[in-house]
Amino acid sequence: NAGVMQNPRHLVRRRGQEARLRCSPMKGHSHVYWYRQLPEEGLKFMVYLQKENIIDESGMPKERFSAEFPKEGPSILRIQQVVRGDSAAYFCASSAVNTEAFFGQGTRLTVV
Amino acid sequence: TQLLEQSPQFLSIQEGENLTVYCNSSSVFSSLQWYRQEPGEGPVLLVTVVTGGEVKKLKRLTFQFGDARKDSSLHITAAQPGDTGLYLCAAGRGGSNYKLTFGKGTLLTVNP
Repeated sequence: NAGVMQNPRHLVRRRGQEARLRCSPMKGHSHVYWYRQLPEEGLKFMVYLQKENIIDESGMPKERFSAEFPKEGPSILRIQQVVRGDSAAYFCASSAVNTEAFFGQGTRLTVV
Repeated sequence: TQLLEQSPQFLSIQEGENLTVYCNSSSVFSSLQWYRQEPGEGPVLLVTVVTGGEVKKLKRLTFQFGDARKDSSLHITAAQPGDTGLYLCAAGRGGSNYKLTFGKGTLLTVNP
């Protein structure tokens, strides 16, 4: 049973480009969560999604960031017009209903 | 804002020594989770504690939840180099089990 799969593992983008981060949840999991880990800071909740629905996006920056979890395919975290401050590790976690969440290995985004 | 303070921030010990790390808050939690994160990887769930005063053991790791459910500790007996990593505590916000608040972690290095 594969775990939570994130890709790419490492992503380098120039300022102003778009970054797309993908997350495939564990088999049987219908809930996906995105977290961001900035240097010297703890993991911060960004968004909680179920299939085709955003349940809670209270941790998402108001601009440039969006997330989706379509009926088919992985969850996508999209960052438009990236800036250096977006450089961080982005982690996806998944869970079934009312169960513990399991984290993926993360995508390390570097904006140059 | 619910904050989780972890101490110490850094800990470097020799193989075979015992250690305790702490997670404290002014808030009461319904549950608290401990994770270990290795460099370049995602957090891996070690344990969830729910009941005040609860003690859980995982091989050489002992987790305790404070009676008032505001604090927790992780004790490692006879540490091994494989225990090296970042130990994170996390708790759900607002009664949820998905919008986790993480501490900044204790970075443990066990030297052979």
